[in-house]
Amino acid sequence: DQQVKQNSPSLSVQEGRISILNCDYTNSMFDYFLWYKKYPAEGPTFLISISSIKDKNEDGRFTVFLNKSAKHLSLHIVPSQPGDSAVYFCAASVEYGNKLVFGAGTILRVKS
Amino acid sequence: SAVISQKPSRDICQRGTSLTIQCQVDSQVTMMFWYRQQPGQSLTLIATANQGSEATYESGFVIDKFPISRPNLTFSTLTVSNMSPEDSSIYLCSGRSSGAYEQYFGPGTRLTVT
Repeated sequence: DQQVKQNSPSLSVQEGRISILNCDYTNSMFDYFLWYKKYPAEGPTFLISISSIKDKNEDGRFTVFLNKSAKHLSLHIVPSQPGDSAVYFCAASVEYGNKLVFGAGTILRVKS
Repeated sequence: SAVISQKPSRDICQRGTSLTIQCQVDSQVTMMFWYRQQPGQSLTLIATANQGSEATYESGFVIDKFPISRPNLTFSTLTVSNMSPEDSSIYLCSGRSSGAYEQYFGPGTRLTVT
């Protein structure tokens, strides 16, 4: 039972353009959502998060949008940079930060 | 953000043996967790490491196979027991600080079982 789904295995974007990574979930009890970035041979790095009571959170080039009715969230990166090339994981929690459930990840490639 | 270290960074082990992975976090962390990332898969929570008491395991994971200790607030170990090739994975430790919702991850331990 895959509660958090990232349906796009990979995404390729030109440097300077917007990257949009998508995530869908099935469990309406999730109360907190997070995005992580992972480089090979490293642990995931926390990027940005959003509480279920909000619909948008912004931090520099990164913005996360949450659509609770559609059970969908997205991560926007503007402008995209070659250093953003990594695997991006969507994660969700039912205990405000505990017991994270991860999606399968999306490989982002930013071309210069 | 919390600083989390793990050792060893990688190991190659024989079938039937056990390996203990250590995780050290800085003093901001109150909650500690262990995850597994099997080849080509996402991260899966193994258990929550509770200070001074038995860990809380997720469905599909048992204490006999993955004994976990957390003798104090900043240190935890995960043992992978009686290993088989199916245990070949990256094992990651994470921590969460009181009042914060995000978890911070260590660099991971890449385990190969032959």
